[in-house]
Amino acid sequence: KQEVTQIPAALSVPEGENLVLNCSFTDSAIYNLQWFRQDPGKGLTSLLLIQSSQREQTSGRLNASLDKSSGRSTLYIAASQPGDSATYLCAVPNGAGGGNKLTFGTGTQLKVEL
Amino acid sequence: DAGVIQSPRHEVTEMGQEVTLRCKPISGHDYLFWYRQTMMRGLELLIYFNNNVPIDDSGMPEDRFSAKMPNASFSTLKIQPSEPRDSAVYFCASSLKRGGHQGSYNEQFFGPGTRLTVL
Repeated sequence: KQEVTQIPAALSVPEGENLVLNCSFTDSAIYNLQWFRQDPGKGLTSLLLIQSSQREQTSGRLNASLDKSSGRSTLYIAASQPGDSATYLCAVPNGAGGGNKLTFGTGTQLKVEL
Repeated sequence: DAGVIQSPRHEVTEMGQEVTLRCKPISGHDYLFWYRQTMMRGLELLIYFNNNVPIDDSGMPEDRFSAKMPNASFSTLKIQPSEPRDSAVYFCASSLKRGGHQGSYNEQFFGPGTRLTVL
C-alpha cells in the first residue's frame, strides 16, 4: 500500500527566503506526482504535475523535482511571499497507466512572515 | 471556465437527516471524484466516475453513503441518515485523461468543498 509522507508538518520562514518542501513515497512505481496548495477553508489548487519521465517541472517561482528511485519529490519555492502561506500537499496516483486514485500526503503548513 | 462548482458551501444538519451535496465538474472533463477531508484522516477518496459510470466506490464508508452522476455535468453525494462522525469537508474534483510520454495521466482540479456539520 502506497504511503506518502511530508516533512516538515509545519514551517515558518521570513519573507524572501527560498525554501524546500519534501514529499516521500514508499512505492516508487508511480507515473506522476502532483503538488497542490490548500488555503484555509478552501479547496485544493493544482500547482504542478510532474510525470515520471521528467525530473523537474517549473511554474513561476515554483520548481518541483522528482526522483522515483529514491521515492522523493521536492517543491522549491523561490523568494517566498506572505501570499505563499498555505498548506502544500503532494499526491501520487495508485495503479498503472497514470491511475485515477490519488494518495495524498499529510501536508506541510507554510507560513511566510513579513 | 468557472472551475468545479459545489453546493452548498456549508451545511449544518441534525443527526438522522438526509444530506445531499452537489457538484458540477469542469466542462469536458471525463472523470469526477468525491473526497472527504478531516483532521484525523486527511484527504480520502470516496468514489470516482468515468464518463458518468462509477468505477471505484471502495472508499465509501458505509451504505449510508451513495453517489450518482446522471449526466456529464452533475453529480450528487448523499448521506442518509447522517451521523455526527460524517462531519467533514467534502470535495469534488474533476479531470481529463490525457496521453503523456509515459502513459496517460489525470491532473485533478478541485472544487471549493462543502463543509458539513452534523449535530
